Amino acid sequence: DSGVTQTPKHLITATGQRVTLRCSPRSGDLSVYWYQQSLDQGLQFLIQYYNGEERAKGNILERFSAQQFPDLHSELNLSSLELGDSALYFCASSVDGDRAYEQYFGPGTRLTVT
Amino acid sequence: EDKVVQSPLSLVVHEGDTVTLNCSYEVTNFRSLLWYKQEKKAPTFLFMLTSSGIEKKSGRLSSILDKKELFSILNITATQTGDSAIYLCAVTNYGGATNKLIFGTGTLLAVQP
Repeated sequence: DSGVTQTPKHLITATGQRVTLRCSPRSGDLSVYWYQQSLDQGLQFLIQYYNGEERAKGNILERFSAQQFPDLHSELNLSSLELGDSALYFCASSVDGDRAYEQYFGPGTRLTVT
Repeated sequence: EDKVVQSPLSLVVHEGDTVTLNCSYEVTNFRSLLWYKQEKKAPTFLFMLTSSGIEKKSGRLSSILDKKELFSILNITATQTGDSAIYLCAVTNYGGATNKLIFGTGTLLAVQP
């Protein structure tokens, strides 16, 4: 158990809908990262937050957005869902400083868009 | 464009065998290379390598980085069925304020009894 929690575990929804995925980082970790894992693309970085502020964006679609709250939990919002958005969405967290690259992953949310 | 390539894509071995997994990379301003093991769900951290030629070891797993030739290998000796998983290689680079990981597509290892 990495200490990172994600809810829900599974989500099945229809095209055009909007969903929110939630992540709680390990205690003390200020950075939260979101990744998408699909069969054809592998694990792709989406976005990083550090202590409530957006730090970096990767291959994140405009239909997707995220935020990190004062208690450091984070939410990833996916809207106007398409079939191709079906994937496993991971949240990871890390400490600051020299070990910032050791990211610890949550169990993921499996999103199925039908 | 930053790229991480792992090989082989998959392999099947018998318990007790030794395996070597490969990871090559092309990234600007390379900083570190990390190995993760992904079983059913979340990737779990194995090693982080930043210096060439220094082996990192944990039990039957070891890894080494060659920054001149831009690759790393992950060795697993005396494999067990519990080693069956996807092994992911990721790199990080300097630049900006992010610690994002750039992943390869992984190597699927199946260890048969």
